[in-house]
Amino acid sequence: QKEVEQNSGPLSVPEGAIASLNCTYSDRGSQSFFWYRQYSGKSPELIMFIYSNGDKEDGRFTAQLNKASQYVSLLIRDSQPSDSATYLCAVLNTGNQFYFGTGTSLTVIP
Amino acid sequence: GAVVSQHPSWVICKSGTSVKIECRSLDFQATTMFWYRQFPKQSLMLMATSNEGSKATYEQGVEKDKFLINHASLTLSTLTVTSAHPEDSSFYICSAVRDRGEQYFGPGTRLLVL
Repeated sequence: QKEVEQNSGPLSVPEGAIASLNCTYSDRGSQSFFWYRQYSGKSPELIMFIYSNGDKEDGRFTAQLNKASQYVSLLIRDSQPSDSATYLCAVLNTGNQFYFGTGTSLTVIP
Repeated sequence: GAVVSQHPSWVICKSGTSVKIECRSLDFQATTMFWYRQFPKQSLMLMATSNEGSKATYEQGVEKDKFLINHASLTLSTLTVTSAHPEDSSFYICSAVRDRGEQYFGPGTRLLVL
């Protein structure tokens, strides 16, 4: 079982819709969770981090963490074509090891 | 967010030469930095963990004598690709770890070995 799993997609949503990206992790004791956005040909950019159960909102982005179910999600409201990118989920586990998922490719269709 | 720089952003070199890439955390100190490599349309691949004041830890399959890492200060790590060959051509990305474990990435260095 991989430490962090994401659906590779591609995920396509129309402009203005909500994009929902999901991620599961295997280490139940993990405490820190991150979402990165990577545009083609560029390096990843940290867009959200969450440490506590529940929702964390930042502009059009909402990160949701459910430690009991071991999943973390990212919602993007009012999706824009500029949101088209690969979104990487990352987890810092109890051994202080950082694991990335393989990423979900998102395309927002104008 | 935190700022991490990399230099150079582009390198083209002849086969057999060595190339040094610098990674700097500009507005925070980083005890730990990571070096990644990414081939087109593939995932990030962790190469090594760079720890200030100690030897780097390399991932399985990464030759430590070929990819020399030095973390001389809390704001600078360098990766030297020794005797580069065309198969070393890739996108090299560093990251620096901040207080709560979050990684901030540099903009990456594209290496093309002819």
